Amino acid sequence: GQNIDQPTEMTATEGAIVQINCTYQTSGFNGLFWYQQHAGEAPTFLSYNVLDGLEEKGRFSSFLSRSKGYSYLLLKELQMKDSASYLCAVRASGYSTLTFGKGTMLLVSP
Amino acid sequence: DAGVTQSPTHLIKTRGQQVTLRCSPKSGHDTVSWYQQALGQGPQFIFQYYEEEERQRGNFPDRFSGHQFPNYSSELNVNALLLGDSALYLCASSLVAEGLAGANVLTFGAGSRLTVL
Repeated sequence: GQNIDQPTEMTATEGAIVQINCTYQTSGFNGLFWYQQHAGEAPTFLSYNVLDGLEEKGRFSSFLSRSKGYSYLLLKELQMKDSASYLCAVRASGYSTLTFGKGTMLLVSP
Repeated sequence: DAGVTQSPTHLIKTRGQQVTLRCSPKSGHDTVSWYQQALGQGPQFIFQYYEEEERQRGNFPDRFSGHQFPNYSSELNVNALLLGDSALYLCASSLVAEGLAGANVLTFGAGSRLTVL
């Protein structure tokens, strides 16, 4: 089976840094994805990790530890537009689709 | 380059009715996955279609069925609607070769919001 856990809500201040954690227990692992979803909109792809370590992409970075079943998404220099739900998702194999966590709602305040 | 398009965007049905939702994948993609997203929850996998066949299925009853056409577009059908079927239905497309080579990024449509009364 698949189990993906992430915090339900987080709050942060504009300009700050926030880390959103994700832990997973899955039968097979072939990649971890982070998506951003604004209210009423489609999820959009942010990052992908398949090997241990940090992937950096502009203000966003994602880290993976396969041995610990753990990932985090790091958002720097927060902006108001970063207020959204952040979805952690795992792919079990190259052929399989994604299993999503429930999402972390991030609220950025002035 | 058009992304994933879904129709209709919103619809209201009553219990017991049937609904059909439609999806056109991103140009160049050959695989379509359907997800159900209840309010405040993450997307839940319904099924995936590749080469016009259902390749994987999530934990959804047989009331949920689908189809993929030769042009890769897809339909999701739900029979005997229940109140609990009210949700945002998301279609996502991808290219199977990318999944085998590495990242297989799903591209999502904006969804069809179904309300069952």
